[in-house]
Amino acid sequence: DGGITQSPKYLFRKEGQNVTLSCEQNLNHDAMYWYRQDPGQGLRLIYYSQIVNDFQKGDIAEGYSVSREKKESFPLTVTSAQKNPTAFYLCASSIARLRTNEKLFFGSGTQLSVL
Amino acid sequence: KNEVEQSPQNLTAQEGEFITINCSYSVGISALHWLQQHPGGGIVSLFMLSSGKKKHGRLIATINIQEKHSSLHITASHPRDSAVYICAVRKIQGAQKLVFGQGTRLTINP
Repeated sequence: DGGITQSPKYLFRKEGQNVTLSCEQNLNHDAMYWYRQDPGQGLRLIYYSQIVNDFQKGDIAEGYSVSREKKESFPLTVTSAQKNPTAFYLCASSIARLRTNEKLFFGSGTQLSVL
Repeated sequence: KNEVEQSPQNLTAQEGEFITINCSYSVGISALHWLQQHPGGGIVSLFMLSSGKKKHGRLIATINIQEKHSSLHITASHPRDSAVYICAVRKIQGAQKLVFGQGTRLTINP
């Protein structure tokens, strides 16, 4: 079955540590996205990528980094510069960037907590 | 003020009741999405609308572009409908970004 796989489901970060969240899709989608979800707030865009080897900052990119070396993979690194990393992180993908009515497909999320 | 507002924030109902969740937005949009987030955290896309009405099973979504308002209805609600329902809009400007509402937590009691 096609879909988006996020791992791990739960992740703990020590102070000063960088951690990487994995996102893999086998839907052959060009566009991929990372969102952060905090309690009582709407999802906020961290980074997005429209094509391999290209990515753009979203609304809250500070303290995060990404790479897009392969079409199917879009890992997110939460760096030590992100002072409030505890949140639920969701990865999503869509077919292409050029069509404005694209449906989004989401992974099952990673809960990141600080030790 | 948020660009996308949902109401109510929390809704509890009995099995079989007709459910309405509302979404109002303040920006020009090219499409509106209704999403369902299960207790485990995964999100499923229910509808994508740019005008009119769509129906899928017991779910109905409507949008009024002039009034900048959308509703999600659930007929004959069931405990398995318990989830967080999220409205998101794709703004005309900056079309790569969706703006999300804060979600409506729905609980259906048997």
